[in-house]
Amino acid sequence: QKEVEQNSGPLSVPEGAIASLNCTYSDRGSQSFFWYRQYSGKSPELIMFIYSNGDKEDGRFTAQLNKASQYVSLLIRDSQPSDSATYLCAAPTYSGGGADGLTFGKGTHLIIQP
Amino acid sequence: EPEVTQTPSHQVTQMGQEVILRCVPISNHLYFYWYRQILGQKVEFLVSFYNNEISEKSEIFDDQFSVERPDGSNFTLKIRSTKLEDSAMYFCARWDRSTDTQYFGPGTRLTVL
Repeated sequence: QKEVEQNSGPLSVPEGAIASLNCTYSDRGSQSFFWYRQYSGKSPELIMFIYSNGDKEDGRFTAQLNKASQYVSLLIRDSQPSDSATYLCAAPTYSGGGADGLTFGKGTHLIIQP
Repeated sequence: EPEVTQTPSHQVTQMGQEVILRCVPISNHLYFYWYRQILGQKVEFLVSFYNNEISEKSEIFDDQFSVERPDGSNFTLKIRSTKLEDSAMYFCARWDRSTDTQYFGPGTRLTVL
């Protein structure tokens, strides 16, 4: 049974600081990872995906993948109050590709303090 | 590229009744998914549907559930004989080939009384 683990938080970060969100996964064969943002009462919104070891940057967001440690992280630079949400880490459940059904972590609740 | 739309946004039903939730693709997508999220819990995969057939299904997706694409457009999730514990948000998602990622619809809130 594939597991994706996240600290549920809440994680409180001052506005303008860097928010660091972490995720670990159980299946060493996992190849791709996804970060979704979910506002209360809304659907998950894809913000980053990463397939290779190392860093991937997109605007204020950086995803980091370390397959040896089975660890994925998301950094949010210059945090804004609008970044306050629950951040979900996900990995494919079966074959490893993005077309697979996804296994989600419980999510980390991020609060950006003005 | 836009996601899918879902109808209804909120469905209230009595325990034991059947419900049909609908997902409407914006364009000609191939892969569709149903997920559910019980209030306060994690998003859970139910089923994936490719080329008008079930591709994968989770342990949650038992005989109570079925999916189809009856008219080649709408993608439906049918829940037979609903139970109280079926109350949840149900999300449809579609696969984007160019990025190998999934995009979620706005969801249907199902309340079983």
